[in-house]
This record gives sequence, C-alpha cells and structure tokens, in this order.
Amino acid sequence: GAGVSQSPRYKVAKRGQDVALRCDPISGHVSLFWYQQALGQGPEFLTYFQNEAQLDKSGLPSDRFFAERPEGSVSTLKIQRTQQEDSAVYLCASRYTGLSTDTQYFGPGTRLTVL
Amino acid sequence: AQTVTQSQPEMSVQEAETVTLSCTYDTSENNYYLFWYKQPPSRQMILVIRQEAYKQQNATENRFSVNFQKAAKSFSLKISDSQLGDTAMYFCAFMKLNSGNTPLVFGKGTRLSVIA
Repeated sequence: GAGVSQSPRYKVAKRGQDVALRCDPISGHVSLFWYQQALGQGPEFLTYFQNEAQLDKSGLPSDRFFAERPEGSVSTLKIQRTQQEDSAVYLCASRYTGLSTDTQYFGPGTRLTVL
Repeated sequence: AQTVTQSQPEMSVQEAETVTLSCTYDTSENNYYLFWYKQPPSRQMILVIRQEAYKQQNATENRFSVNFQKAAKSFSLKISDSQLGDTAMYFCAFMKLNSGNTPLVFGKGTRLSVIA
C-alpha cells in the first residue's frame, strides 16, 4: 500500500501561533515515531507511540509540544505558541510491529518555518 | 547515551567510481543495529543498508556495502559504481536492541554529490 504520508508538507507560522502536523502511517503499523530535523542536522527523536499509547515523550523539547494518536493510526504533533527555534523539518516514521528488529519507514516530512 | 559521528560534511565522486563514507559511534551497549539512510532532496528518508552488531559478516545490498569494525566502533559505507541518482544526504544511525521504544540516533550526515 501507500507509504507514510505527512501534511502539510510546508507550514509557515507567525511566532506565537499554534500549529498541528499530521502523520498517516502505513496501514496496520503499530509503532509510530516523531523526529525533529533542524537545518544541517540529523533527525532527533521526539516521541514514540505503540498503538494509541504514548510510551516515550522524553525527546519533546518543551511542554509546548504535544502529540497524540487517539485511535492508534493517524498521529498529530501539536506545537503551541511557536518560537523561531521550532523551525525545522518534522519527520514521522512507522514500523509494522513493536519489535526493534523491524524497519522504520519515514514520511516526507513537514517543513515548519516560524517567522 | 549513544552518539554517532560523521566526520565528512560533504563529498563528491565521479560517476561510475567508488566512494566511502565514514561513521563512528559511541555506545556501551552490546546488542544494537547500525544503519545507513539516504535522504534525497525530496526529503523522504530511505533505508540503504543495515547491520546487526552480533553479525561479523559485513552487510551488502547490490552496489552498497559496509565495513563494520565493532571493536573500533566504526561503520563505513562503500558505494560502488556511483550513479547520479546516488546524490543525496547520507545519514549513519544507531539503534539499540530493546523491546518497544527504540528510536534511531542519527549522525549529522554527509552530503554526497555524484558528478557526471
């Protein structure tokens, strides 16, 4: 089937605005990861879901970042009161099972620019 | 905590030639995987090759092969017969083996340009 999709692909926000970034994982994939990729850097882990349970949110940089996956499929990453340092590409990845031996498949990312 | 270091920010290679990208990592774990991911300008991250740390044999995937030196904590990627479509950012990544949450830890990447 289709791969991981993310929307929007590009988002421009004024500082202080709230934004919501969507991830549609591959159908049936149990695990879902969010990563943040700053310009010129490698992706960095933000949070992890197994089905609807958020098992790890240790990478979220502040309490302005919030993620959910209420039905165990689509996930939304929300950033409140955006700041310029939030500008980055946000990548979503999904994995068929909860097993670490499975491959993570990445979406195309959402490029967020905060003015 | 694990760290991954890619010491070559940019590299270039002539079409049909061979190029090697370097990666070193630091970990106290004994069971882990190592990966090379390719990120073309379209930004979709694609898995190129992966290596299980418990396997001594180096992984190969067509034109891509790795040189895994566990004691030295080194994991280089060799691309043979380079093609224009190989132009991309290449990221080395580490993942410890665990149940459930096993995020990838990435290096900063190497930008590879294949020149016609």
